Amino acid sequence: DAGVIQSPRHEVTEMGQEVTLRCKPISGHNSLFWYRQTMMRGLELLIYFNNNVPIDDSGMPEDRFSAKMPNASFSTLKIQPSEPRDSAVYFCASSREVVQGENTEAFFGQGTRLTVV
Amino acid sequence: KNEVEQSPQNLTAQEGEFITINCSYSVGISALHWLQQHPGGGIVSLFMLSSGKKKHGRLIATINIQEKHSSLHITASHPRDSAVYICAVRVRVSGGSNYKLTFGKGTLLTVNP
Repeated sequence: DAGVIQSPRHEVTEMGQEVTLRCKPISGHNSLFWYRQTMMRGLELLIYFNNNVPIDDSGMPEDRFSAKMPNASFSTLKIQPSEPRDSAVYFCASSREVVQGENTEAFFGQGTRLTVV
Repeated sequence: KNEVEQSPQNLTAQEGEFITINCSYSVGISALHWLQQHPGGGIVSLFMLSSGKKKHGRLIATINIQEKHSSLHITASHPRDSAVYICAVRVRVSGGSNYKLTFGKGTLLTVNP
């Protein structure tokens, strides 16, 4: 298995532009997580899907951020309009919840480094 | 106050030394993860544990549920162990039967030859 695949690996965009980050979870995994990592705040959970349904989006900073999971093999995180303070590394992770709540390992993608200038 | 506290924030050691990184948490958890992040950013899961101790090669992780504390030990440290080590706890999403990970800020370990 190729693991969790994120694209692009790097993104540089101008303030005000729309940014779309993509994630392909590991096949067979039914939970998907979007995280943001900054020097100041470390790793923060943005949103969590289970079986393609958003379960907890309390970490999404504001309305400029939205995430979708149209099917089990693809998710997007969109920022519109982007701002310089959105600059961070965005990680996607997936896991397989055999029984809901059962402890399972999360596997991380390589991350997308976003720079908003 | 962060739900997950790691110490130390930075740690420098000489090759061969025994390393300990600590993690304390303030909430009820179902499991705790230790993650490793190398320069370049990739995150690798080292351990997931809910009780007792786990060992993998030179790495040992322990957890004390009653004391809400976990430690990650590295024996015979090597420069390639230099990385950020992150503790994450698995907590219930309020009102539901789902879980999420809450992270510590990480410990930057540098092992000098």
